[in-house]
Amino acid sequence: DTGVSQNPRHKITKRGQNVTFRCDPISEHNRLYWYRQTLGQGPEFLTYFQNEAQLEKSRLLSDRFSAERPKGSFSTLEIQRTEQGDSAMYLCASSLASGTGPGPQHFGDGTRLSIL
Amino acid sequence: LAKTTQPISMDSYEGQEVNITCSHNNIATNDYITWYQQFPSQGPRFIIQGYKTKVTNEVASLFIPADRKSSTLSLPRVSLSDTAVYYCLVGKTDKLIFGTGTRLQVFP
Repeated sequence: DTGVSQNPRHKITKRGQNVTFRCDPISEHNRLYWYRQTLGQGPEFLTYFQNEAQLEKSRLLSDRFSAERPKGSFSTLEIQRTEQGDSAMYLCASSLASGTGPGPQHFGDGTRLSIL
Repeated sequence: LAKTTQPISMDSYEGQEVNITCSHNNIATNDYITWYQQFPSQGPRFIIQGYKTKVTNEVASLFIPADRKSSTLSLPRVSLSDTAVYYCLVGKTDKLIFGTGTRLQVFP
């Protein structure tokens, strides 16, 4: 299967610890996105990359959050000094930039983060 | 970005056609209308996208009236596996803004 892959699928950690998630997009896709989803809500946009450049960051992405996409391939999302409110599903998506409108985004199945 | 309004939930039976309507009164000229489906513990999955009139693919149809202030996702002959949350999104960029969606429950 050549879909978007996210690891780990689940992460449980204590408050104050740092966590890092990885996303491997579909190989030919040049855009990569991170979203966060809490129970009963739709996904919330966090940030996105075109190739290795981070083009937009949501105000939701506090200074404890950092995302990278070295070499325009896989991406990592790190959360430092985790807080209870960080508990959520973190979703990654990728797409191929097109000239007409927002193209279909292909989502992974997410990393579920639980803060104890 | 245009705000969307859709029903919180809908029920249907297997084999029926389901129509989910989304209101987007403030849609902008360059905005597209996109629908995603999401199953529990999975990421959303793209269903269909349109700008005006009607778009059809192998799984759904999207009807958009001339004023574009609303749109209707039509799922023909639903099955139990169509039980999911359906999101209507309006925008022109890749920064997707999801609402709370419509929870469709299909009964046998």
